[in-house]
Formats: sequence, C-alpha cells, structure tokens
Amino acid sequence: AQRVTQPEKLLSVFKGAPVELKCNYSYSGSPELFWYVQYSRQRLQLLLRHISRESIKGFTADLNKGETSFHLKKPFAQEEDSAMYYCALSPETSYDKVIFGPGTSLSVIP
Amino acid sequence: KAGVTQTPRYLIKTRGQQVTLSCSPISGHRSVSWYQQTPGQGLQFLFEYFSETQRNKGNFPGRFSGRQFSNSRSEMNVSTLELGDSALYLCASSRSAGGAFAFFGQGTRLTVV
Repeated sequence: AQRVTQPEKLLSVFKGAPVELKCNYSYSGSPELFWYVQYSRQRLQLLLRHISRESIKGFTADLNKGETSFHLKKPFAQEEDSAMYYCALSPETSYDKVIFGPGTSLSVIP
Repeated sequence: KAGVTQTPRYLIKTRGQQVTLSCSPISGHRSVSWYQQTPGQGLQFLFEYFSETQRNKGNFPGRFSGRQFSNSRSEMNVSTLELGDSALYLCASSRSAGGAFAFFGQGTRLTVV
C-alpha cells in the first residue's frame, strides 16, 4: 500500500541546533517526494521537491531509495522555522493522488 | 497572479444541514484537489477534479461530493452534516492531473454545532 509516515508528531530543538524531520514512504515505483510547510495562520505551501535538489530557507532533503526515506534537514534551526511540516508523495503516474504524511510540528526554542 | 481562493473563510452550520464550499484555482490550473485537515487526522484527501472529471476519491462517505466547472472552479458539498465534519477544508490547484506541485488555498473553517 502507498503510504507516507512521519514518526515524530512533535519535535523540539534549540535555536542554532541541527534539525532533522523524518519521512519514510512505501511505494512500489519511483515517486516524487515533496516537503510542504504550514506556518502559523498561513496557508500550506510547498517547501521543496526532491527532483530539484535545491536548498530552500536552509533546508535540504535527500531521497534515499534504498531506505525509502526523504528526511528534511537544516544545520542550524531558526525560530522562524517553527511550523507544521508535511512530507508528501506524488506517484509516477498522474492517475494516483498525492499522499501526505501525518505531519510533524517543529518547535524551535529560543 | 492571484492564488487559490476559497470561500467562505468561516462557516457555522448545525447538524443535519448541508454546506457548499467554493474554490477558485490559480489561472491556468486545471486540477483541483480537496483535503480535510483536522488536528487528529492531519490532511486527508477527499477528491481530485481535472477538466471537470473526478479522477480520484478518498475514503469519505457519500455525503461528501464535489464538482468542477468549465472554468476550473470547484465546489465541494457536504450533506447531512455531523459534528465530526468540523474541520479546515483545503483546496489545492495544480497544472497537471494528480495534484503534484500543488498550491493551497487558505481553507474554509467549518464548524458544525
């Protein structure tokens, strides 16, 4: 079954500390993986996608097909990073829907 | 370029009533997906429309329905409302079918009393 899991519901780190939000997926093919972020009182927005291999707001994510993981990392957390983060999977065909993980609430302690 | 617009932003309904929510996608986007967001369940997929056709449907009862018009605007309807339908309903639009690279609206907060 196609599924996205985010094992941590809540994650608290101190400002300046490294942060890693975990995401694992189960999918039989080669999906596209995304991270979405929702800041307080703002709309859900795309943070980054694995294909572009870019760094957005200091965040990076590497797709590990062997471990079926797509963890989101940032070397030095900032207070403004506090938000809800969702990992999402888009199947390789357009016939299936995007699947979201349950989300991780990141709190950066000043 | 205008973003995804959802109306109304807030709604209060009583049990048993029905409700219609509206979503206007970004210009040029033909795919519209609907999600229910609750603190306990997170984001749950309701359905996706592309070119006026429902392409995918989530695991929601038949009380939840939707449609898409020729201008890509979409409506979602919930009949016989239950207390558990209280949630933030999000709409997302994208250029291609499947809902990838979606842009989200701010949502409609539905409260059922």
